[in-house]
Amino acid sequence: AQSVTQPDIHITVSEGASLELRCNYSYGATPYLFWYVQSPGQGLQLLLKYFSGDTLVQGIKGFEAEFKRSQSSFNLRKPSVHWSDAAEYFCAVGRRSSNDYKLSFGAGTTVTVRA
Amino acid sequence: SQTIHQWPATLVQPVGSPLSLECTVEGTSNPNLYWYRQAAGRGLQLLFYSVGIGQISSEVPQNLSASRPQDRQFILSSKKLLLSDSGFYLCAWSVRSETSGRLNSYNEQFFGPGTRLTVL
Repeated sequence: AQSVTQPDIHITVSEGASLELRCNYSYGATPYLFWYVQSPGQGLQLLLKYFSGDTLVQGIKGFEAEFKRSQSSFNLRKPSVHWSDAAEYFCAVGRRSSNDYKLSFGAGTTVTVRA
Repeated sequence: SQTIHQWPATLVQPVGSPLSLECTVEGTSNPNLYWYRQAAGRGLQLLFYSVGIGQISSEVPQNLSASRPQDRQFILSSKKLLLSDSGFYLCAWSVRSETSGRLNSYNEQFFGPGTRLTVL
């Protein structure tokens, strides 16, 4: 069994401030971890992913995430947020099934950016 | 380049009415296709996936069904909608792995713009 937990439902951050979104997972094997972003009324876009190797992963739009096996976490960070970063962010765990991977998503964290 | 389309973008339907949501992919062949539902305040739930024409796998028991009549077409249907079917429905595709069992490969899922369904 597996689950993905995003403890923060909603985060408000000032423009230019740093941002960290938490993600914890429970999975019996080596996890494949992802962060997706969903702008209002839109589909999801992949920000970054972790398969193996360097535990600090760089993504698009200035985001990075760090995999910590001991804490079962994959937190997303950005040093300085922009107003355009206001969106909903989803952490996901990939699990292998037949020809491809299925994704299990967390409930999401909504980020509001204030001027 | 590849694109994924969903329609309609929004839909309001009465309880008990039928449903048909369509998803099409362009610019790729033999994709894996997925239907997700996002209920208010919740994450995405995988409803169905398909690895080929006519091949449908259901993840959770529900009032919905899916079909794949063509390689790049994925349809989500219901004979009678329930209030609980309201939500945001997302279709996604990914490149199918050339070799099953390749544990180190992952094919990114690309999502469509979604359909917002309201059942009244």
